Amino acid sequence: EAQVTQNPRYLITVTGKKLTVTCSQNMNHEYMSWYRQDPGLGLRQIYYSMNVEVTDKGDVPEGYKVSRKEKRNFPLILESPSPNQTSLYFCASSFSTPLGTGATYEQYFGPGTRLTVT
Amino acid sequence: GNSVTQMEGPVTLSEEAFLTINCTYTATGYPSLFWYVQYPGEGLQLLLKATKADDKGSNKGFEATYRKETTSFHLEKGSVQVSDSAVYFCALGGSNTGKLIFGQGTTLQVKP
Repeated sequence: EAQVTQNPRYLITVTGKKLTVTCSQNMNHEYMSWYRQDPGLGLRQIYYSMNVEVTDKGDVPEGYKVSRKEKRNFPLILESPSPNQTSLYFCASSFSTPLGTGATYEQYFGPGTRLTVT
Repeated sequence: GNSVTQMEGPVTLSEEAFLTINCTYTATGYPSLFWYVQYPGEGLQLLLKATKADDKGSNKGFEATYRKETTSFHLEKGSVQVSDSAVYFCALGGSNTGKLIFGQGTTLQVKP
């Protein structure tokens, strides 16, 4: 079954304790992205990756890191979490947009990770 | 910059009622437009999309038409069911970064 998986689904942690949220897709997608969802704000992009070893900042990258060593995996790292990073996080993947076309393929989303930082 | 505005929720309807959720956008060029749906406890899934002006996306009885003259992509369904209760997001694509720009989401609750 084609899917995006995330782990863990729920996490409660304390300020400053490093954590990693994993994301994996089995559709051979080049493009992967992380979003956070907050009430009244919709989803905002944190980081994205066009392909292996190619990552870039989205709209709200502060306090986050990512890596893309393999095509299927795109972990989100919080080196020193703070309470304002309490949120619902989604990983998404798709085929890459052909450069210059402006087209956007359907993005497939994981089930979400609810993170609480106290 | 590009942006998406959705009508405020929550929207509460009785079963079999007609649904409209308004979505307008601001963008340069010719972005793709999407509606995603989020059922309770789940991730987002694509409901429908349109890639150029006057395109109509449709799926599961839902429809939306890409109106460039009014910069709108309103979601409609003729007869809603309790199972349609969810959060609906309008989104705009088309940038070379692959980013989707989302509206704030509209919660729909359908009562029997």
